[in-house]
Amino acid sequence: QLQLQESGPGLVKPSETLSLTCTVSGGSISSSNYYWGWIRQPPGKGLEWIGSIYYSGSTYYNPSLKSRVTISVDTSKNQFSLKLNSATAADTAVYYCARDWLNYDILTGYYKLPWAFDIWGQGTMVTVSS
Amino acid sequence: QSALTQPPSASGSPGQSVTISCTGTSSDVGGYNYVSWYQQHPGKAPKLMISEVTKRPSGVPDRFSGSKSGNTASLTVSGLQAEDEADYYCTSYAGSNNLIFGGGTKLTVL
Repeated sequence: QLQLQESGPGLVKPSETLSLTCTVSGGSISSSNYYWGWIRQPPGKGLEWIGSIYYSGSTYYNPSLKSRVTISVDTSKNQFSLKLNSATAADTAVYYCARDWLNYDILTGYYKLPWAFDIWGQGTMVTVSS
Repeated sequence: QSALTQPPSASGSPGQSVTISCTGTSSDVGGYNYVSWYQQHPGKAPKLMISEVTKRPSGVPDRFSGSKSGNTASLTVSGLQAEDEADYYCTSYAGSNNLIFGGGTKLTVL
């Protein structure tokens, strides 16, 4: 059974880089059928999509975070990672990693993302504070 | 891109039906059939309940159903049960490889 696990520092200083890793177990991150994403949730607030990556390295980012975000993949370790530069208190949140999948569209002959996450990690709390 | 609009709260008694709305624009909800719904219990990760407007993943009770009309998507929970009490979030593809979330609705089972 596929599982995702986030890891990384729980405390980051303002202006520094927030770095997290998601380890995929029970399956291969190199499967051509999936994208892998990061989503965050500030305390007491709603969810926000940060970005997603394919095993080939192709990425999609939330436009509001794009200038500060880098998502990368390490297929040899079955992991993908998030880096968020110039962190501020507003970046304090629970960070989740999750899996999206590709559907084959018989009408167009292309694979398409449903933009839905079916498997999630348990989440990791990151606080940005001095 | 603005967040999708959801009512902050909804409620119903056990056995009743409740519908949660998710309003966007023609650039997101109205423009694509990529609306999803998530259930989140306190301190837990979200759980996918509906994808692509109406599709229910394996293991999700058929009491949960999704629909869309114009720029508004809806999640209906029929035969409310105590364990349905949770926060519910909608999402929609917004074009240009961008995904947006709703603000969330707290469902209370009275």
